[in-house]
Amino acid sequence: DVKVTQSSRYLVKRTGEKVFLECVQDMDHENMFWYRQDPGLGLRLIYFSYDVKMKEKGDIPEGYSVSREKKERFSLILESASTNQTSMYLCASRQGNYGYTFGSGTRLTVV
Amino acid sequence: QKEVEQNSGPLSVPEGAIASLNCTYSDRVSQSFFWYRQYSGKSPELIMSIYSNGDKEDGRFTAQLNKASQYVSLLIRDSQPSDSATYLCAVRGAAGNKLTFGGGTRVLVKP
Repeated sequence: DVKVTQSSRYLVKRTGEKVFLECVQDMDHENMFWYRQDPGLGLRLIYFSYDVKMKEKGDIPEGYSVSREKKERFSLILESASTNQTSMYLCASRQGNYGYTFGSGTRLTVV
Repeated sequence: QKEVEQNSGPLSVPEGAIASLNCTYSDRVSQSFFWYRQYSGKSPELIMSIYSNGDKEDGRFTAQLNKASQYVSLLIRDSQPSDSATYLCAVRGAAGNKLTFGGGTRVLVKP
């Protein structure tokens, strides 16, 4: 089975901090994604990547950036964390026409 | 109009009954369709994928796709309390790698 690992399950950060969320997949998938999930708003795509060093903006990229230096790792960066970025962050990977495999999620609280 | 729409529920079903969940989508050329189950506080888990019109069965789950009417449904037979979760419908368009998710339907199975 594909495994998608997110480095932290829970994080608490202060407003203005630079925050790194790490995601690693172990099945050589080309496509990786970052979503955030909020009550009443569902899953919203932040950024995705279809190859090393390639990235594309999703629906809500403002305030975020990403890095994909190696195929297995896709990092989400909050340049200056704000309270409205408090959310559940979900990383996923996909190959071919199959569905996503999600990581276990990182619940980020910005205080 | 949202790209992928689901009734938010809750859909309450007695144990042993059939739960029927519906999802409509707006992109007529969508290619691939997925159902995810998400328990509270957990990440989504892929349970069904369907790519062509008709029915696809996997255990107690049946996915049904009607591209002409732009809807996809999920039936859960012999519902169990462990099926209580939020079910997310996801659609992949003709172009691109990303999935678009519906808001989810919350299912409650009562013993």
